[in-house]
Formats: sequence, C-alpha cells, structure tokens
Amino acid sequence: DTAVSQTPKYLVTQMGNDKSIKCEQNLGHDTMYWYKQDSKKFLKIMFSYNNKELIINETVPNRFSPKSPDKAHLNLHINSLELGDSAVYFCASSPGRGAAEAFFGQGTRLTVV
Amino acid sequence: LAKTTQPISMDSYEGQEVNITCSHNNIATNDYITWYQQFPSQGPRFIIQGYKTKVTNEVASLFIPADRKSSTLSLPRVSLSDTAVYYCLVGVYNTNAGKSTFGDGTTLTVKP
Repeated sequence: DTAVSQTPKYLVTQMGNDKSIKCEQNLGHDTMYWYKQDSKKFLKIMFSYNNKELIINETVPNRFSPKSPDKAHLNLHINSLELGDSAVYFCASSPGRGAAEAFFGQGTRLTVV
Repeated sequence: LAKTTQPISMDSYEGQEVNITCSHNNIATNDYITWYQQFPSQGPRFIIQGYKTKVTNEVASLFIPADRKSSTLSLPRVSLSDTAVYYCLVGVYNTNAGKSTFGDGTTLTVKP
C-alpha cells in the first residue's frame, strides 16, 4: 500500500482553468503538507494542516486553496491557473508539526500551457 | 526560521565515503536537523535526523558539533544508486510551534 498517494501524477491544462490535486495518507499521521518544487528544484512549503486545522499558510496566491475533509486527506485546489504555476507539487505527512520524518507522495507534475 | 546552506553539487566515485555539510547558523534550541534524499521524479525520502553529537542508522551517519551551527551527512561507500539530491532540513519536531524549511539541496553524482 502506498503511504502517501497523490492524484493525478501528471496534469496538463490551459491557462485560466481550475484544477484540483488530491492527496491521501494511510499512515495515521496528524499533519499533512503541500510543497511546490519549481524547475530549479527548490522545495518550498505552501500549506500545512494538523488534524484538519490550517497551521502553515505561506505566501501563496489566493488562487491556491487547500481543503482537508479529514486528517487523512489534504486536497489542493487551484483557480485561474497561470503559466508560473507549472511545477511539481508534493503532498507529505508527518506524525508531528515540523515535517521531520515526513513521508512524501510521488508528486504531481502540473504543466500550464 | 533557520536558513540552511549546502554545496550545490558534489562528485564522488563508487566505494568512497561522501560527506555533505550543511550550515545553519541561526538554528534554534528546539530545532532538529533532518536530511532527505530525492531521486528524479520522486518525492523526498527521509534519511536521518539528529539533535546533537552523532546519529547513525543503516543508511548514513549524521555528525553535529556542540554549537549545532552545522551538520555533516556521511554516506559510507557510496554506489551509483546514491546519485540524488540531498536536502538539509532544520525545524521543530512534534511541537505546536514552528515549521521546517528545506535547504536548496546538494546534487551528489556518483561515478563508476
């Protein structure tokens, strides 16, 4: 069983569209994250949820909205996609709030054309 | 947040020991030091974590001096499959405060 699974793995879409990326973890962790990795491989945290409560909200456009229906799921919805949103988005989970010993998903490669 | 600095890249040969150093001058009292490994097209994978002195597991060793302003990840006898990007991460573990920040990573290339 995959510990942290994201869908889809690849997403190609046009500018202006709205898209969602789903993430599920079966590790029983309390904390989940969304990271963005750009073309230069810099890995930046975007959001973190702990037991469905938003605890980290880095400076990201309001077009990005995370939603956590339960502590095993953290979805990322993106409105009005822009070219600059093209990146690999990683979901992760950890037992604590500090991302130490975090388990990452395989990533979703988003390409906006 | 404690900012980390790592070498951008390193080269090594199979069978050698590789040491990657990370600087974190502003590390806080509650911060732990964690290293991750990332292969192309995969998510980062936890390697090792420590707070002070030395930690060793089946994959690597982590050396942390007394002032904790730096740390060194040591990979014994690397193989071609150790070619990856290695991230140093400094942050608070399992508390109500803080968040962790990834460094920019060190691309390790192991040659035959």
